[in-house]
Amino acid sequence: EIVMTQSPATLSVSPGERATLSCRASQSVSSNLAWYQQKPGQAPRLLIYGASTRATGIPARFSGSGSGTEFTLTISSLQSEDFAVYYCQQYNNWPPDTFGQGTKLEIK
Amino acid sequence: EVQLVESGGGLVKPGGSLRLSCAASGFTFSSYSMNWVRQAPGKGLEWVSSISSSSSYIYYADSVKGRFTISRDNAKNSLYLQMNSLRAEDTAVYYCAKLVATSYYFDYWGQGTLVTVSS
Repeated sequence: EIVMTQSPATLSVSPGERATLSCRASQSVSSNLAWYQQKPGQAPRLLIYGASTRATGIPARFSGSGSGTEFTLTISSLQSEDFAVYYCQQYNNWPPDTFGQGTKLEIK
Repeated sequence: EVQLVESGGGLVKPGGSLRLSCAASGFTFSSYSMNWVRQAPGKGLEWVSSISSSSSYIYYADSVKGRFTISRDNAKNSLYLQMNSLRAEDTAVYYCAKLVATSYYFDYWGQGTLVTVSS
């Protein structure tokens, strides 16, 4: 089973600044990597798939990059509504889908 | 508008059973693989089970294999999860999630239903 490791566990950033979240796979997942956002009490929401393609309705300030084992989610200018937990998910070797443990993005 | 609405959660004793349901609308349910994903309190996401559009292919996480059974009724636009021999570690919010047509990530999620296993 592929293990996904996200870092950092918690990231403190001020509104308007850039946030960079990392996700590493224990073996190559090609570009089969998705990112989700989850706010308290809500279901996850798809942000990025194919490592870099924004899902429908996702603002351009969200961008994804990487391939193989190293991936990054960047939020270019943080808005108040962006503070949430972010999960990466590999779907190259399926099943199972495997998720990272999450990065909590909090207000500094 | 795609909607996934879970129901059937609740408090159950260890060793007990529960059946979750997910009512789907806003898309052609019979054309898509569907999944259950769970989240223990304060923890991350864990994929539980998947069923293909025609129920031909069914998969389970090792943690639930032999205890949980996924099924669907395309005539009723509904997904189910029968959970038997429940354990404390099965306590979680259970989400119904739709796979995209051509890959294995989730484009829509329900709001979840809480299952608590406790004596």
